[in-house]
Amino acid sequence: ETVLTQSPGTLSLSSGERATLSCRTSQSISTNYLAWYQQKPGQAPRLLIYGASTRATGIPDRFSGSGSGTDFTLTISRLEPEDFAVYYCQQYGNSPMFTFGPGTKVDVK
Amino acid sequence: EVQLVESGGGLVQPGGSLRLACAASGFSFSSYELNWVRQAPGKGLEWVSYISASGKSIYYADSVKGRFTISRDNAKNSVYLEMNSLRAEDTAVYYCARDRNYYDASGTYYPSFDYWGQGTLVTVSS
Repeated sequence: ETVLTQSPGTLSLSSGERATLSCRTSQSISTNYLAWYQQKPGQAPRLLIYGASTRATGIPDRFSGSGSGTDFTLTISRLEPEDFAVYYCQQYGNSPMFTFGPGTKVDVK
Repeated sequence: EVQLVESGGGLVQPGGSLRLACAASGFSFSSYELNWVRQAPGKGLEWVSYISASGKSIYYADSVKGRFTISRDNAKNSVYLEMNSLRAEDTAVYYCARDRNYYDASGTYYPSFDYWGQGTLVTVSS
């Protein structure tokens, strides 16, 4: 089973700052199997990035994904007020079929 | 507009059963794989189950295997989650989520969940 670790657990930043979120997998995975989601309180998750680096439809270009192997990164170049949320990485594997990381909360400093 | 609407949640006693439904609209339902994902109060996301477009391939998380059954009715554009032998730790918001079903030009699969329902709350308590 591939375990996902996200860091930091909480990131306290101000609007306009750059956010760098890490997702590490316990085993190397193909980049096409890594996705990122954003979730705001009381809402369903929203797909941000698939294939480790491709933005989903309608996602602003301030969001970018990178990485390979076991280290993946979600970067928000300049935080907007609506970006304060929890971010999850997700991987596709054998068993279980999908695994989510524990999440990184980006909150207001 | 793509929509996924879950229903069937509620309060159930430990050991009881519940059947969740997810009604889909706005896309060719029979062409897409569907998943159930849950989120315990104040916790992160946990994938629960997957069903292929035809319904022939099904997978479960170990935590629900043998207790939960996923199914779909392509004629009714709906996917279901039958939950038996419910435990307190099954308390969560249950989301229905569509797989993008995206393959690039070389046939490489890019799994991700592009549409989610609003969720339905299941509470297991005496």
